[in-house]
Amino acid sequence: AQSVTQLDSQVPVFEEAPVELRCNYSSSVSVYLFWYVQYPNQGLQLLLKYLSGSTLVESINGFEAEFNKSQTSFHLRKPSVHISDTAEYFCAVGETSGSRLTFGEGTQLTVNP
Amino acid sequence: ETGVTQSPTHLIKTRGQQVTLRCSSQSGHNTVSWYQQALGQGPQFIFQYYREEENGRGNFPPRFSGLQFPNYSSELNVNALELDDSALYLCASSSRDRAPYEQYFGPGTRLTVT
Repeated sequence: AQSVTQLDSQVPVFEEAPVELRCNYSSSVSVYLFWYVQYPNQGLQLLLKYLSGSTLVESINGFEAEFNKSQTSFHLRKPSVHISDTAEYFCAVGETSGSRLTFGEGTQLTVNP
Repeated sequence: ETGVTQSPTHLIKTRGQQVTLRCSSQSGHNTVSWYQQALGQGPQFIFQYYREEENGRGNFPPRFSGLQFPNYSSELNVNALELDDSALYLCASSSRDRAPYEQYFGPGTRLTVT
């Protein structure tokens, strides 16, 4: 079985500040790691993923996440946030067999002017 | 390429009633997973359908059931609705035939049980 813990339920930051959203996971089997973003009243959008290889993965809109196997973490970072980054962010682990995703409780990122 | 679509967008039902939610998978995908997202929480896995058969189930009672059709679209049925069934129901499509089985989500159906 897998579990995901997102360490901060809410993260308020000012525009252009750096941000880190923390995610720890546990699993007895190999997993893939994902970050999804959810804007109000919408579904989930895949932000980035770690499958194998380089432990640092990047998205097209400036977010990056680093897989740390020893600490079982997959923290999400952005060096400079925009108002439009305000959303709920979910960390998830996926079984390599391709079945279920297990999500954390989410972190609400609020970017203030 | 058509994305994942769900219908209806919103639904209001009374406790004890039955409801059917629908999902059309993304072109080229043969697998549909359903998730329940209660207010303020992360999505919880309900079950997955692959080639018209259930392929994994989360901790949900049997009154949650599903179907997958030959065109890979899917239905989620919930019988004997309870107040706690009020949630956003998300469907995700993927392909089990090729790694890494990324799941792409639809916009969801907001179910309110009164």
